[in-house]
Amino acid sequence: QKEVEQNSGPLSVPEGAIASLNCTYSDRGSQSFFWYRQYSGKSPELIMFIYSNGDKEDGRFTAQLNKASQYVSLLIRDSQPSDSATYLCAVTTGVDTGFQKLVFGTGTRLLVSP
Amino acid sequence: DAGVIQSPRHEVTEMGQEVTLRCKPISGHDYLFWYRQTMMRGLELLIYFNNNVPIDDSGMPEDRFSAKMPNASFSTLKIQPSEPRDSAVYFCASSLGAGVVTNEKLFFGSGTQLSVL
Repeated sequence: QKEVEQNSGPLSVPEGAIASLNCTYSDRGSQSFFWYRQYSGKSPELIMFIYSNGDKEDGRFTAQLNKASQYVSLLIRDSQPSDSATYLCAVTTGVDTGFQKLVFGTGTRLLVSP
Repeated sequence: DAGVIQSPRHEVTEMGQEVTLRCKPISGHDYLFWYRQTMMRGLELLIYFNNNVPIDDSGMPEDRFSAKMPNASFSTLKIQPSEPRDSAVYFCASSLGAGVVTNEKLFFGSGTQLSVL
């Protein structure tokens, strides 16, 4: 089982719609969860992080975390063509060993059509 | 700040040759990470350093790969000898901290596109 799993997509949504991106992780001890956005040919950039169960909102982005289900999601409201990118879910693992590291999923490609 | 600086941006080499990738982290960041990205496997952590000391190199694929951080402002990732399956984008990233209560935001360099023929 992969440590962090995402559907590769592409996820296609029309402009103005809500895009929902999902991620599951295997390490029950994981404490920190991140969403990175990566445009084609560019490096990843952090857009959201969440530590506690529930929702965290930042502008058009909402991160949702459910530790019991080992599930984290990212909602993008009022999607824009400029949101078209690959979204990488990242989770810290190894908390119990004292050597934490950030493990990335393979990403979900989002396409927002005008 | 100029951000994380990687060189070269592109490297094309022949199988069997030595390849050296370079990275300058953001000043003041005490963690440095080397990642490799491929379509099939995504972003894989190869090795990371804390205060110039290698902490976890379990992601280094094999003995052909080695990484050093001689000082706080410079790191290298070396592949010797290189093989076609090493072709990927190699990212260097730095951060202020890797603990739960500290800022874990990774700042990535622009990456090195490596092609081994």
